[in-house]
Amino acid sequence: DTAVSQTPKYLVTQMGNDKSIKCEQNLGHDTMYWYKQDSKKFLKIMFSYNNKELIINETVPNRFSPKSPDKAHLNLHINSLELGDSAVYFCASSHVVAGSYEQYFGPGTRLTVT
Amino acid sequence: GENVEQHPSTLSVQEGDSAVIKCTYSDSASNYFPWYKQELGKRPQLIIDIRSNVGEKKDQRIAVTLNKTAKHFSLHITETQPEDSAVYFCAASIRGNKLVFGAGTILRVKS
Repeated sequence: DTAVSQTPKYLVTQMGNDKSIKCEQNLGHDTMYWYKQDSKKFLKIMFSYNNKELIINETVPNRFSPKSPDKAHLNLHINSLELGDSAVYFCASSHVVAGSYEQYFGPGTRLTVT
Repeated sequence: GENVEQHPSTLSVQEGDSAVIKCTYSDSASNYFPWYKQELGKRPQLIIDIRSNVGEKKDQRIAVTLNKTAKHFSLHITETQPEDSAVYFCAASIRGNKLVFGAGTILRVKS
């Protein structure tokens, strides 16, 4: 019955590798987001998709590529991982079309690049 | 772009006392202001939010106030309990689409 889920929960990998994080929501929301939380706990939006369409694309290296196969799923692929990519990545969703602004977060994926 | 400043960065209170966290935002078009609580190793959880057409909102021991003229909003927690200890984030957005977060406040409630 988890509302927003992410896999994997932990990801440890070496520099230069390519990895993906997956997110799914079963709330019927139309908008999904990726946030990055760095070691100082600062939360910053990276991308947002509304009905599979990219609507927010912050200043993020093009090594990061989001993909939304449908409204309920948003994945994040990262190429050529760097040490600075180590962080917790949170997926979130909201139902913007209904005028409901609340964003609900997934459990996070802790990415460690060595 | 939007910028949100949050103070204090850490706050220690005695159990039963009140805690106040303050935020200011820069974009006058912002109309949605949520507060999130994040416990260690957990996801941010929405605890209360306010829209720009409302000056104050209360939910049991927590309340949020908004001063649109000053572009300032605050979180008030009364009768604090040890389980209130966490990191609290304020955020601002235009129509909820792009949340810009403050840097967070570590709240410690001492019993």
